[in-house]
Amino acid sequence: EVQLVESGGGLVQPGGSLRLSCAASGFTFSSYEMNWVRQAPGKGLEWVSYISSSGSTIYYADSVKGRFTISRDNAKNSLYLQMNSLRAEDTAVYYCASIPAAAGTYFDYWGQGTLVTVSS
Amino acid sequence: SYVLTQPPSVSVAPGQTARITCGGNNIGSKSVHWYQQKPGQAPVLVVYDDSDRPSGIPERFSGSNSGNTATLTISRVEAGDEADYYCQVWDSSSDYPIFGGGTKLTVL
Repeated sequence: EVQLVESGGGLVQPGGSLRLSCAASGFTFSSYEMNWVRQAPGKGLEWVSYISSSGSTIYYADSVKGRFTISRDNAKNSLYLQMNSLRAEDTAVYYCASIPAAAGTYFDYWGQGTLVTVSS
Repeated sequence: SYVLTQPPSVSVAPGQTARITCGGNNIGSKSVHWYQQKPGQAPVLVVYDDSDRPSGIPERFSGSNSGNTATLTISRVEAGDEADYYCQVWDSSSDYPIFGGGTKLTVL
């Protein structure tokens, strides 16, 4: 069974930092492209960042570029998101989501999400 | 950047057919994917590549895409289909995914 389990969310002050993790199991993690997608309270889905299966290609949404860093450890079947200089507008549930191998452009599996609250 | 437009809400009686649209400039040339999200839960892929269904998704869910509009069709709607639905494409010009604003499906 495919599982993606996020952790690391919590309450942080504006300007602070947080590191999210996503533990993957039940599939060949090293073959999948991975993403972070967030959802502010009561709002829609917003893509945050992408990393290729090898980690060699990375993209960010303009809203987080220069503040967030995505990375992965294929040996540990884990995905990460380092979030710095956090703002109130970064408050959201953060999901990790996989893109299937063989040039898929959709998210086939999602984690349950971890809530990040940026507030003083 | 590329914009996807969805109606905020769609209402349908049980047993009827719901159609949720997703508008975008020449969206027919792109692959469109649809997600269902129930309150407090993560999104679930229900249609990918315009009209394919992942395993475990009922045949009642189908999709089409042509011109400037993609459509998710849910036949014989059930109370359990009540959820938010999001369309998504991969914007090749910016090389990242785009989501529509979401449509809340209400089963009357």
